[in-house]
Amino acid sequence: QVQLQESGPGLVKPSETLSLTCAVSGGSVSSGDYYWSWIRQPPGKGLRWIGYIYYGGSTDYNPSLKSRVTISVDTSKNQFSLKLSSVTAADTAVYYCARELILTGYMSWGQGTLVTVSS
Amino acid sequence: QLVLTQSPSVSASLGASVKLTCTLSSGHSNYAIAWHQQRPEKGPRYLMKVNSDGSHSKGDGIPARFSGSRSGAERSLTISSLQSEDEADYYCQTSGTGPWVFGGGTKLTVL
Repeated sequence: QVQLQESGPGLVKPSETLSLTCAVSGGSVSSGDYYWSWIRQPPGKGLRWIGYIYYGGSTDYNPSLKSRVTISVDTSKNQFSLKLSSVTAADTAVYYCARELILTGYMSWGQGTLVTVSS
Repeated sequence: QLVLTQSPSVSASLGASVKLTCTLSSGHSNYAIAWHQQRPEKGPRYLMKVNSDGSHSKGDGIPARFSGSRSGAERSLTISSLQSEDEADYYCQTSGTGPWVFGGGTKLTVL
């Protein structure tokens, strides 16, 4: 059974770049069968899709974040990453990584990690 | 623009059944959606995918009392024999290719 684990700084300063990784165990990020995705949830609010990577490097991003987001895969470490630039307090959220099996839609979620943007 | 609309809150009694709905915006009535459960202070958990034909496929370990269906642009999640552990937020989400969209979530209170 796949397990996904987010990691990264819990505190980021305004205008800096937020960087998170999602370590994958029990599955390979090289597989073309999945969307490898990032989703966030501001405190007390709903889920918001950030973007995903699939098919050996193709990406799709939320239009509202597209200019600031990069998602990439590191096959040597079996992980994928999120970079969000020029952060503000509005980017404070719990960040989740997830994997969706393309054919069936079956999804697996990480536990989430809280990132606070503050000076 | 694709929008998923959910009722903000629903309440039902222990042991009863409840139907949560997710309505796709005009022009998007054939999309498949997924349902996720988020218990208080926990991360989301995948429940099932509801296809455009109304068929559904559930995640591992999801009890039989959870089921999905479709009527036109509406996708539904029905929970029967409600238990206290079902009290949670429930989110629908477009499934598959293209930008993902989440509904605003429905808070289910079990009385």
